[in-house]
Amino acid sequence: NAGVTQTPKFQVLKTGQSMTLQCAQDMNHEYMSWYRQDPGMGLRLIHYSVGAGITDQGEVPNGYNVSRSTTEDFPLRLLSAAPSQTSVYFCASSETAPRTQYFGPGTRLLVL
Amino acid sequence: GENVEQHPSTLSVQEGDSAVIKCTYSDSASNYFPWYKQELGKGPQLIIDIRSNVGEKKDQRIAVTLNKTAKHFSLHITETQPEDSAVYFCAARWMDSSYKLIFGSGTRLLVRP
Repeated sequence: NAGVTQTPKFQVLKTGQSMTLQCAQDMNHEYMSWYRQDPGMGLRLIHYSVGAGITDQGEVPNGYNVSRSTTEDFPLRLLSAAPSQTSVYFCASSETAPRTQYFGPGTRLLVL
Repeated sequence: GENVEQHPSTLSVQEGDSAVIKCTYSDSASNYFPWYKQELGKGPQLIIDIRSNVGEKKDQRIAVTLNKTAKHFSLHITETQPEDSAVYFCAARWMDSSYKLIFGSGTRLLVRP
């Protein structure tokens, strides 16, 4: 099993550009989530999904969209990138509710 | 609102000493409290967790204690080793209608050889 994979590893965007961060898991997990990690602020939940077709907002959802068309994939879309979205983004999955979560390696995003 | 406070933000110990990291949470209904370890350049990894029906759980050199009345829980690492150096995060599951796991701000642990 590859576990949780994220692409790209690193991305530079200009303010106003849009992009999609990809996340996939091959463990047949129902629960998936996106976090952003900023210095001194820990991990903050952006959006999460409890199964295909079901998504909900976390602590900091503004500026981000998600969809869950399959169990395996949970992409995160930045609609119009802003410098405040410069961060490291982690995708995670777990069997059902957020118990033992498996994290991906992260995507480092720089918005200029 | 939903909040998990974690202290200290940095901790430096001598190899072989013990390290303790403390967290407090605001939702008295929370019932699941995991601890994650993050090594440089990697995603966090679960190292131990505790549910609200137990007060302490051990796994070799690491242990977690929970005080539901005071709404705080702690991570204890004994006989620290240089490979324990990492950032540690506590978290608490919010027991509203959502399925949120709220994280603390992290503790950078440095074990000096």
